[in-house]
Amino acid sequence: GAVVSQHPSRVICKSGTSVKIECRSLDFQATTMFWYRQFPKQSLMLMATSNEGSKATYEQGVEKDKFLINHASLTLSTLTVTSAHPEDSSFYICSLLPGTGAYNEQFFGPGTRLTVL
Amino acid sequence: AQSVSQHNHHVILSEAASLELGCNYSYGGTVNLFWYVQYPGQHLQLLLKYFSGDPLVKGIKGFEAEFIKSKFSFNLRKPSVQWSDTAEYFCAVTLNQAGTALIFGKGTTLSVSS
Repeated sequence: GAVVSQHPSRVICKSGTSVKIECRSLDFQATTMFWYRQFPKQSLMLMATSNEGSKATYEQGVEKDKFLINHASLTLSTLTVTSAHPEDSSFYICSLLPGTGAYNEQFFGPGTRLTVL
Repeated sequence: AQSVSQHNHHVILSEAASLELGCNYSYGGTVNLFWYVQYPGQHLQLLLKYFSGDPLVKGIKGFEAEFIKSKFSFNLRKPSVQWSDTAEYFCAVTLNQAGTALIFGKGTTLSVSS
């Protein structure tokens, strides 16, 4: 299957700082990328969908100004958590959708564990 | 909006017992269906998927799932579980349209005792 990397895998930051998480596809071009958040013992919740070259579409309840998504190229998407607070501590996972066909399978990154002190 | 329901929050089994995890979705249109597994401390791994064709889908590690359209269900089964199957299992659905995201169920924790 396709390989997706996320960096960093873990980050601990102080409250009020910003954190950038990168998501890269290593062996395919992704026209669509998704960002999910997973709280402990809970399911993955979709935060936003981004297509290369256009603005991300955020799910209801997700603050656009707090979670900045940049789909810079067909192989890179970044999520920046601005002015992070302890309640933003979570596991952030990206997934990539290669091509535009309806049958394409999404491929997940290994996730980034964010801890805000 | 479509949703996914997983009825079993926590399932506890002994090794060699049979497993069935329920999954129902609410959407009247054409969907693609998936089961993912997340082992402790690891990332999501695809167990199996259904796009079309034979409603009985076989996946990795001896898992299978059956799509019953009339019941909007996609239950996961394994005839004989192992201790190593202890993990979190997620059912997920996506619309059969290009570029749509996966919608996940809340997950089922499976604990297998040896």
